[in-house]
Amino acid sequence: DAKTTQPNSMESNEEEPVHLPCNHSTISGTDYIHWYRQLPSQGPEYVIHGLTSNVNNRMASLAIAEDRKSSTLILHRATLRDAAVYYCILRGTSGSRLTFGEGTQLTVNP
Amino acid sequence: ETGVTQTPRHLVMGMTNKKSLKCEQHLGHNAMYWYKQSAKKPLELMFVYNFKEQTENNSVPSRFSPECPNSSHLFLHLHTLQPEDSALYLCASSHPDRGMNTEAFFGQGTRLTVV
Repeated sequence: DAKTTQPNSMESNEEEPVHLPCNHSTISGTDYIHWYRQLPSQGPEYVIHGLTSNVNNRMASLAIAEDRKSSTLILHRATLRDAAVYYCILRGTSGSRLTFGEGTQLTVNP
Repeated sequence: ETGVTQTPRHLVMGMTNKKSLKCEQHLGHNAMYWYKQSAKKPLELMFVYNFKEQTENNSVPSRFSPECPNSSHLFLHLHTLQPEDSALYLCASSHPDRGMNTEAFFGQGTRLTVV
């Protein structure tokens, strides 16, 4: 599986937008970019995924660079409940598996 | 509520005990997974089942024995565990035939403590 690189931690203030970056310079043409988050003491939760075009859903937006070597998860207005570890994962031809890295610990300040 | 239910939520067992973790989903998924998450570490994939057949075993010690009797249920049988096996065990499911273009759903996990 191709590797992703994320900052270990980020901080944000409540009600402000948050941009969580992910680098995946070795991405292949068939890899989908997935984002999950894990709240304390819970299992991971799907956030969003995409292939080439930017994607929006009720939780977040995913902006994918034109060369696909990086992406950014955008939370439009952070809330205290968004404090979690966010994982950027490439899901490709190795099948259905999801390989988790260390992720980014997002802290949201009131 | 993700549609993936794990029981029990918490388990304390001695090193000589035998116990089982259960995972159930009625989402129509045919791929199911066991993950282990130790303190302060990333999730580690343990086993993958596709259409009830084990397709992946990531060098998991034999004291962990998975069972998938049907596409809706997944078990992890535990025996003679070690204290270092204490962790959060997570089950997940997804559509295998939609491959990369679909999400996985996770249960809340079983917090296992081996004493």
